[in-house]
Amino acid sequence: AQTVTQSQPEMSVQEAETVTLSCTYDTSESDYYLFWYKQPPSRQMILVIRQEAYKQQNATENRFSVNFQKAAKSFSLKISDSQLGDAAMYFCAYRDDKIIFGKGTRLHILP
Amino acid sequence: DGGITQSPKYLFRKEGQNVTLSCEQNLNHDAMYWYRQDPGQGLRLIYYSQIVNDFQKGDIAEGYSVSREKKESFPLTVTSAQKNPTAFYLCASGRSGSSNQPQHFGDGTRLSIL
Repeated sequence: AQTVTQSQPEMSVQEAETVTLSCTYDTSESDYYLFWYKQPPSRQMILVIRQEAYKQQNATENRFSVNFQKAAKSFSLKISDSQLGDAAMYFCAYRDDKIIFGKGTRLHILP
Repeated sequence: DGGITQSPKYLFRKEGQNVTLSCEQNLNHDAMYWYRQDPGQGLRLIYYSQIVNDFQKGDIAEGYSVSREKKESFPLTVTSAQKNPTAFYLCASGRSGSSNQPQHFGDGTRLSIL
C-alpha cells in the first residue's frame, strides 16, 4: 500500500526567510502525481503545487517550489521569502486512483 | 461558481444515533471522497466513489456508510457503530482515475458527541 510520511510535525521560520518541508512516500507504481496542500486556520484545503512523476523538472509556483527526487521517493516543498500568510498546516499527498495524505507539518512564521 | 458544498457546518450526535453529512458538487466530477481529520492524524480516507452507483472503502470505513445515487451527491452516514465519531469531516471531488488534477474540497463539517 502507498504511504506518505511527513517527518516534521512542526516547523518555524523567520519572516522573509526560506524554509523546506520534507515529504517521503512509498509506492511500487511508476506513474503517479504528487501535491502539496495548505490548510490555514479556516480549515480550507488549498492546492499549493503539483508534480507529475514522469516529469524530471521540478514544479514551481511563484515563491513555492519542490525538490522531486523520484528514485529516493522524496518530494520536499521550499517556500521562499516566507510571509505571515504562509502560516498553516501543509500536507503532502500522493495520487494514483485515490489520494493519500501525510500527517501534515504545522508551519509557524516568526515576525 | 462551481464548487463543493458541505452541510451542516456543525453537527451534534447523541449516543446511539445515526447522522448524515451532506456533500454536493457542481463541478461535473466523477469521483468523490470522504476524509476524516483528527489532530495529529492528517486526513484519512473513509470512502470514495469513482462513478455513480459504485463506491469503495478507504482506510477507516468501519462505522460509516455512503451512497452515490447521483453524480452530484455523496452523503456520508456516521452510524452508531462508530464509537469515536468526534472529528472534522472533509468531502472532496475530482476526476476519476490517475490524474494530475487535484481534488477540490468542501469547507468541512465538524461532528461532536453530546
